[in-house]
Amino acid sequence: NAGVTQTPKFRILKIGQSMTLQCTQDMNHNYMYWYRQDPGMGLKLIYYSVGAGITDKGEVPNGYNVSRSTTEDFPLRLELAAPSQTSVYFCASSPRGRGEAFFGQGTRLTVV
Amino acid sequence: GNSVTQMEGPVTLSEEAFLTINCTYTATGYPSLFWYVQYPGEGLQLLLKATKADDKGSNKGFEATYRKETTSFHLEKGSVQVSDSAVYFCALSDQSGANSKLTFGKGITLSVRP
Repeated sequence: NAGVTQTPKFRILKIGQSMTLQCTQDMNHNYMYWYRQDPGMGLKLIYYSVGAGITDKGEVPNGYNVSRSTTEDFPLRLELAAPSQTSVYFCASSPRGRGEAFFGQGTRLTVV
Repeated sequence: GNSVTQMEGPVTLSEEAFLTINCTYTATGYPSLFWYVQYPGEGLQLLLKATKADDKGSNKGFEATYRKETTSFHLEKGSVQVSDSAVYFCALSDQSGANSKLTFGKGITLSVRP
């Protein structure tokens, strides 16, 4: 019963490096989301998708890109890592996009 | 725009104490309201929800009532346990669009002492 799986769990990047955060879900949900969580700031929406082939920006999309080629996968790409991208990243999926979301365990990213 | 305001934390309680965590919101239209919980080292989990005014959501001994007149959705539990130690997030989802995104409050950390 996997649900939403994120990899890696932890990563340290140097400034200017690139990486992809992986997210996959096995619940056949159409809606998927990427959030970042900063201390004392709650969760901010980076990008979301309402189905394969469709993505859109959230509140804080700068410095990130996404793709959604399949229902299951929703990777998040950081092209030129900056210290401001140090955060915990959560992927989530939803069956109906009406607020009930299932979250992965998160990826803790540090940019130095 | 939509926003959620939670009381400042952290909150520390003794086991079996009564818990109230305040949450107020600003939204256009008629949002659905949620409480999510994040246990240490884990992702968020839906704790309870309410979709219309005067609805009461409940789960695991926690309750919250959707109060439209005071735009509030306060979380309560009559007797907390050590296992309730976690971060609690209030959130709303406005139902006006095809994809209703969640807006979260800042979260509050609850620690329960034995």
